[in-house]
Amino acid sequence: DTGVSQDPRHKITKRGQNVTFRCDPISEHNRLYWYRQTLGQGPEFLTYFQNEAQLEKSRLLSDRFSAERPKGSFSTLEIQRTEQGDSAMYLCASSLDTNTEAFFGQGTRLTVV
Amino acid sequence: EDQVTQSPEALRLQEGESSSLNCSYTVSGLRGLFWYRQDPGKGPEFLFTLYSAGEEKEKERLKATLTKKESFLHITAPKPEDSATYLCAVPITGNQFYFGTGTSLTVIP
Repeated sequence: DTGVSQDPRHKITKRGQNVTFRCDPISEHNRLYWYRQTLGQGPEFLTYFQNEAQLEKSRLLSDRFSAERPKGSFSTLEIQRTEQGDSAMYLCASSLDTNTEAFFGQGTRLTVV
Repeated sequence: EDQVTQSPEALRLQEGESSSLNCSYTVSGLRGLFWYRQDPGKGPEFLFTLYSAGEEKEKERLKATLTKKESFLHITAPKPEDSATYLCAVPITGNQFYFGTGTSLTVIP
């Protein structure tokens, strides 16, 4: 296993379009996280899955954002009607257990023009 | 309010000049403190986990320590390849990790 994989690495979209990102976690990890990071800031928590259940969502996650993790494997994060303020690095991470280290993917850089 | 503060925001060192980065936290019931390294345009790379005051972890030129209020990342005789942003994080409610804004380290040859 080569770690957490995210696709695509870069995405440029026009304002108002929908985008979807994919994350493949480390195979034995049942916990999966999505974070968003803007320039000069640390990653900000968006949502968390344990297996296929979405157990936590940040208030940062507006109604335009939706995440899924069917069958507790890969996860997708969809942003509808993108806005310029959505431009950021979207990071996925996975971990084996609560309060243990999370391993991050390389991120998807979203640019909304 | 739970908070994580990192200092300094940026640090420039000559190669071989040792220094320390600080991460102070105000979290009730600390359940671990995590250090990550992040290179530009990439995801954070896990370095260390510390769970209790007095604990220390080492990896190559890096050593992380933890007290009841703060953690230090000591860098001994840094090399240019140590240049990166160093992030600390603590778990807060549930499974959310709260990250500091990081220290951007530049090591000059």
